[in-house]
Parts: sequence; C-alpha cells; structure tokens
Amino acid sequence: GAVVSQHPSRVICKSGTSVKIECRSLDFQATTMFWYRQFPKQSLMLMATSNEGSKATYEQGVEKDKFLINHASLTLSTLTVTSAHPEDSSFYICSAEDMDRANTGELFFGEGSRLTVL
Amino acid sequence: RKEVEQDPGPFNVPEGATVAFNCTYSNSASQSFFWYRQDCRKEPKLLMSVYSSGNEDGRFTAQLNRASQYISLLIRDSKLSDSATYLCVVASGGYQKVTFGIGTKLQVIP
Repeated sequence: GAVVSQHPSRVICKSGTSVKIECRSLDFQATTMFWYRQFPKQSLMLMATSNEGSKATYEQGVEKDKFLINHASLTLSTLTVTSAHPEDSSFYICSAEDMDRANTGELFFGEGSRLTVL
Repeated sequence: RKEVEQDPGPFNVPEGATVAFNCTYSNSASQSFFWYRQDCRKEPKLLMSVYSSGNEDGRFTAQLNRASQYISLLIRDSKLSDSATYLCVVASGGYQKVTFGIGTKLQVIP
C-alpha cells in the first residue's frame, strides 16, 4: 500500500518557539494532503486541507497565521506551528490521497507527530 | 450534536464472539463512509469503505443506512488481533470535508 512518512514523530519545544512537521508521500503523488490534530480522548479533528501549489484551506477556528501550511510539491506538505504554546501540545497527523486512486477515497496516514510544548 | 457519533466503549468480547459497532452522522449531504482501524499509538488505516448496498470483507461486514443516517461494522469470529480502535469516517465533497468519530475501542479477550 501507499506510504506516508511524517517527521518528527515526537518533538518537545519551549513555549514561543516554532516547530515544523513534514509529511511526505513516498511512493505516490498527492495533490491534496490533510492535517489533523487529536487531543487526548477526543477524535481526530481536521485542521486544514493542503493543496499543492495553492493556499491551504483552514477549518473554522484554526488560525492560519499560527499553523502555516506549505505544499510546495506533489509529495511534500509541511505544517509549522508558530510561537507554540502549551495548549498547542497535541498529536498532529497528516493524510494524503493518491492521485491515481482518488476514486477509492482511501486516505493514507502519516505516523503522527506528538508535540509537547513546555 | 456531534457530526459523527460513536460509542467510545471499550467493548470487551471473548475470542470468537461477534461484535457490532454503530456510528451515526448528522450531515445528510455526506457522500462517503469508511471504517478505519487505529492501533494504539499508530496511525489510522483503512479497514473498509461502506457502500449503500452493504459490503463484506472476510469476517467484516459494513452497512449504511442513509435514511437513519448511520453506518455499522460487524466483526464475526473475533480474533485477539482485532483489538484496536475503530474509527467511523464520514466525508463529503470528495474528501474536502472529512469528519472522524471518536472511535470505538475493542478489546478481544482470550
């Protein structure tokens, strides 16, 4: 099956710093990638839809200036949490849809990144 | 009301048992429905899509009831390896709007 690699898997940072998370589709091309976060005992929540070559589409309540998304190529999307604060501590996970199998609707997920802001 | 509702469980069942999960959704315009499986501290993986006519994959059967706006997952002859969290996923607009349920935790006991 298709593979999505997400890095780093775990990051601890100080309050006020910025953290970048990468999401790569290793063996397929993805015009669209999705970013989610999951707080403890809650469901995965879609944060934004990342479109290759254009601006990301953010869900209501997600600050676009705080969560910067860049999708510069068909295989890479990045999420940067700017000026991170303890309340941003969460599990961030990306997913991608294989362009060649878009009609299946199947999403392939990265392994997730656990962010802890001290 | 949540967009996608699931009973978080846990469901503790003995090996060999049959177990069923339901998931209700509130958006009648939803177009695509899926069950994903998520193992502890791992990423979700597609278990099966859910089609209007119902579909089966080995021990797993998924059904969709549009009128009542729910989907179900039936697992027959439960195995220890089925222990995981099962996520109900509802999508509309070609995955432009994806909503996850909180997941139902299944624990199969020897």
